Amino acid sequence: KAGVTQTPRYLIKTRGQQVTLSCSPISGHRSVSWYQQTPGQGLQFLFEYFSETQRNKGNFPGRFSGRQFSNSRSEMNVSTLELGDSALYLCASSLGPLGGDTQYFGPGTRLTVL
Amino acid sequence: QQQVKQSPQSLIVQKGGISIINCAYENTAFDYFPWYQQFPGKGPALLIAIRPDVSEKKEGRFTISFNKSAKQFSLHIMDSQPGDSATYFCAVMNSGYSTLTFGKGTMLLVSP
Repeated sequence: KAGVTQTPRYLIKTRGQQVTLSCSPISGHRSVSWYQQTPGQGLQFLFEYFSETQRNKGNFPGRFSGRQFSNSRSEMNVSTLELGDSALYLCASSLGPLGGDTQYFGPGTRLTVL
Repeated sequence: QQQVKQSPQSLIVQKGGISIINCAYENTAFDYFPWYQQFPGKGPALLIAIRPDVSEKKEGRFTISFNKSAKQFSLHIMDSQPGDSATYFCAVMNSGYSTLTFGKGTMLLVSP
């Protein structure tokens, strides 16, 4: 089975712009979670989607949003980018509720905000 | 408030030695405790995980020890190899919420 794929792998944006990141989960997985990884804050949970519904949300401002499509693929969007949004954004997929807790991570999208 | 505290921040071990990384948590509602390994430029990869109904789980050279009463768990890497040099993260989860909360990570260097 193919693993979790994320596109693009690298992105450079300037302050004030917006960005959309994409994640394709492992085939058969219906839950997608997003995490932000920075040297200072470590790995922090952003949100989780299952069956096109946001089930959980972390402590991030409303500029961070996401969605999930009927094929379980997910996108996250960050509007009005700030320098502090520079990070590695990781997507993880899992089977979903009652399917086990194991989350499998993709390689991430490295976002640099100038 | 940090929900999971991981130590040490960094660790240097000689090849063939035992690497030990510790994590402590506060919330007794957590019921899933995985360890992830991350190499530079890669996403975290699940190494091994444990649930609170067992005190130890072993997979190859990797062992999790779990102390429910102390709210602590640790990763032991036996016969450490240079290829094990990576950053290791412990995490906790309440299965009802499906969100992982991670420790700050431990950079392990195994010297040849």
